[in-house]
Amino acid sequence: DTAVSQTPKYLVTQMGNDKSIKCEQNLGHDTMYWYKQDSKKFLKIMFSYNNKELIINETVPNRFSPKSPDKAHLNLHINSLELGDSAVYFCASSRGVAGDTGELFFGEGSRLTVL
Amino acid sequence: DAKTTQPTSMDCAEGRAANLPCNHSTISGNEYVYWYRQIHSQGPQYIIHGLKNNETNEMASLIITEDRKSSTLILPHATLRDTAVYYCIVRVGNSGYALNFGKGTSLLVTP
Repeated sequence: DTAVSQTPKYLVTQMGNDKSIKCEQNLGHDTMYWYKQDSKKFLKIMFSYNNKELIINETVPNRFSPKSPDKAHLNLHINSLELGDSAVYFCASSRGVAGDTGELFFGEGSRLTVL
Repeated sequence: DAKTTQPTSMDCAEGRAANLPCNHSTISGNEYVYWYRQIHSQGPQYIIHGLKNNETNEMASLIITEDRKSSTLILPHATLRDTAVYYCIVRVGNSGYALNFGKGTSLLVTP
């Protein structure tokens, strides 16, 4: 069983479209994250949710909207896609604020290409 | 969170120990040192973390200097599968804050 799974793995779309990436973790963790890794390979935090509540929201355009229907899922919806949104998006989870040890479990990534 | 400085790249022969250094001279007393690695195209993988004592697990050893201003990750017998980018990160422990990844060290293990 994959601990943190993301779908889709690859996504190719046109500028201006709206797309979503889904993430699920079966580790029983309370905290989930979205990271973006651009073409220069920098890995940057975008959002973090703890028990469905947003706790980290870095400077990200409001075209990006995370949604956490329950603590095992954190989806990322992107409106009006731009060329600069092309990147690999990683979902991660950790035990949560109370039991946090700094050990994050990452998914395999979703490679988004905007044409 | 304190900043870290790592060499951009390193080479290591297969079977030898790989020693990856990290400077974190502005680390504060409640900040832990974490190491992660990212094998090409995969998600980052946790390796080890520590506060002041040296730590060892099945993957690696972490040596932290007494003043805590630097640390070394040791892969005792590097294999080709250890070729990856290694990230040293410092962060307040048990804080719930996200880890901020820097540029890391690209380790190439050669036959």
